[in-house]
Amino acid sequence: KQEVTQIPAALSVPEGENLVLNCSFTDSAIYNLQWFRQDPGKGLTSLLLIQSSQREQTSGRLNASLDKSSGRSTLYIAASQPGDSATYLCAVGLGAQKLVFGQGTRLTINP
Amino acid sequence: DAGVIQSPRHEVTEMGQEVTLRCKPISGHNSLFWYRQTMMRGLELLIYFNNNVPIDDSGMPEDRFSAKMPNASFSTLKIQPSEPRDSAVYFCASSLEGHYTDTQYFGPGTRLTVL
Repeated sequence: KQEVTQIPAALSVPEGENLVLNCSFTDSAIYNLQWFRQDPGKGLTSLLLIQSSQREQTSGRLNASLDKSSGRSTLYIAASQPGDSATYLCAVGLGAQKLVFGQGTRLTINP
Repeated sequence: DAGVIQSPRHEVTEMGQEVTLRCKPISGHNSLFWYRQTMMRGLELLIYFNNNVPIDDSGMPEDRFSAKMPNASFSTLKIQPSEPRDSAVYFCASSLEGHYTDTQYFGPGTRLTVL
């Protein structure tokens, strides 16, 4: 059974810092991996999707990497801003539209 | 585009009552998903439909839960009878199925409280 773990559960950093969020998964047989953002009281917003054949994806200040062999993904946020404060979830795609989510990392950017 | 629409946004009910959650997916999307989010278990897939047909309902916790998708623009998740342990945020998501797993677009969720 695929299990997805995100460490740390919470992270607080001062504005302007670069930071890395971690995601690990137990079974390397995945179709893709996605990073989502969830704001309090709201749904999830997809940030980046990495196909299993890819190593990384970039969008603006965000960069996500994927290492299937080691079962790890990272989300790098450059020059963090208070507006980046949210919970970040990674989800592993098992195929047939099925996603398995991690518990998330609650990120706080302090002005 | 209005995005995925869910109603109600909040529901408070008493144990034993029937609860119906509603979802309108993004127009043109052919896959629809129901998720449940709790502090203890995180985000779990309950059921998903493709072209209005249930494909995988292995996440539905028990017979008290049922889901329907009578047409491409509407789905319901029903709990009958409801229990306090069903209290959670229920999300609906939709996607346009293409190659493997595609980006899913989430609604704002329905916060259910069963007293």
